[in-house]
Amino acid sequence: DVKVTQSSRYLVKRTGEKVFLECVQDMDHENMFWYRQDPGLGLRLIYFSYDVKMKEKGDIPEGYSVSREKKERFSLILESASTNQTSMYLCASISGLQNQPQHFGDGTRLSIL
Amino acid sequence: GDSVTQMEGPVTLSEEAFLTINCTYTATGYPSLFWYVQYPGEGLQLLLKATKADDKGSNKGFEATYRKETTSFHLEKGSVQVSDSAVYFCALTPYGGYQKVTFGIGTKLQVIP
Repeated sequence: DVKVTQSSRYLVKRTGEKVFLECVQDMDHENMFWYRQDPGLGLRLIYFSYDVKMKEKGDIPEGYSVSREKKERFSLILESASTNQTSMYLCASISGLQNQPQHFGDGTRLSIL
Repeated sequence: GDSVTQMEGPVTLSEEAFLTINCTYTATGYPSLFWYVQYPGEGLQLLLKATKADDKGSNKGFEATYRKETTSFHLEKGSVQVSDSAVYFCALTPYGGYQKVTFGIGTKLQVIP
């Protein structure tokens, strides 16, 4: 069965810290995504990657960076965490075939104090 | 650009009531349309999809029909259960553009016994 695994379900960090969120998929998918989910705003795309070492900015990339050194792993980095980055973060992957759905991890609820 | 419109809710229904969640979209050409469901504490998972006009997607008693003429993909279920309480997201991917998924804001459904 398809599996997208996010390393932490809950994470508490302090303002100014560098924060790493990890995501691993076991489906050999080319494309991976990071979203944040906030009440009243739905899902907003932060970054996505369509191949190893390739990345593109989504709708809200400011304050974030990403890394994709291996096909199965996609990391989201908060360079200097701020309180407005407190949110639910969702990782997803999708194959290169048309009409396929995205597969999501269970999310990381991140609190920045 | 592409957009998906759905009511945010919450929608509160009694068990065994009929459910309709409206979804309309704006996109060029022939997008693929999806409904995802997010149960409490989990990521999103595919509920159903339709890839061309007049297609009907169905799963777990839920149905939605791709209506090109009204640019709609309304979700329906004849008799909801308490276990259907979740957030429902309508989404589209443009034809050939699987990388860019556009999500609606999500509709929270609460079913009471």
